Amino acid sequence: DAGVTQSPTHLIKTRGQQVTLRCSPISGHKSVSWYQQVLGQGPQFIFQYYEKEERGRGNFPDRFSARQFPNYSSELNVNALLLGDSALYLCASSPSAGGGYGYTFGSGTRLTVV
Amino acid sequence: GESVGLHLPTLSVQEGDNSIINCAYSNSASDYFIWYKQESGKGPQFIIDIRSNMDKRQGQRVTVLLNKTVKHLSLQIAATQPGDSAVYFCAETLANQAGTALIFGKGTTLSVSS
Repeated sequence: DAGVTQSPTHLIKTRGQQVTLRCSPISGHKSVSWYQQVLGQGPQFIFQYYEKEERGRGNFPDRFSARQFPNYSSELNVNALLLGDSALYLCASSPSAGGGYGYTFGSGTRLTVV
Repeated sequence: GESVGLHLPTLSVQEGDNSIINCAYSNSASDYFIWYKQESGKGPQFIIDIRSNMDKRQGQRVTVLLNKTVKHLSLQIAATQPGDSAVYFCAETLANQAGTALIFGKGTTLSVSS
């Protein structure tokens, strides 16, 4: 079985640019969550989508947006990139809207903003 | 008072030793807890989970203990191996509430020498 897949694996962008990151959840999982992990810290929650609706949002500026498609894959968009957006962006999938059945993480997209 | 293990940012052990990693969680309402292992350049990998109606759960070479009185989790790894070297995070959440984030604790870097 394929796990959670994320693309691209690495990305370099310039300040002010926009970026789109992609995630495909485990087959049968309807929930996708996005996390930002800055070097040396634990992941921080950005969004959760379930059945194509936003169900939760973390403390991130409006420059961050996401959506979920009918096949449950998801995109994370970040506009007007700042140097501080450099991080590992992780996608996690879950079979339910609540977290009680666990979350499976992908390997992440390493974003570097220069 | 009851003795509770302190969180250590790093832990160095010899191969074959038992390791204990401690974590304090923040929300007394959290009812589902997960330990993750994260290797360099990879996403968090599920190790073991526990619900708030339990105080101990065992897996293969790993045991998680939950002390709700002092909001403390510990992960015990038996016969630690070099392949166990990684950063370990505990995470807390609400199992049945949609949109609730996984809140990660401070990570512990485990180094195993042979």
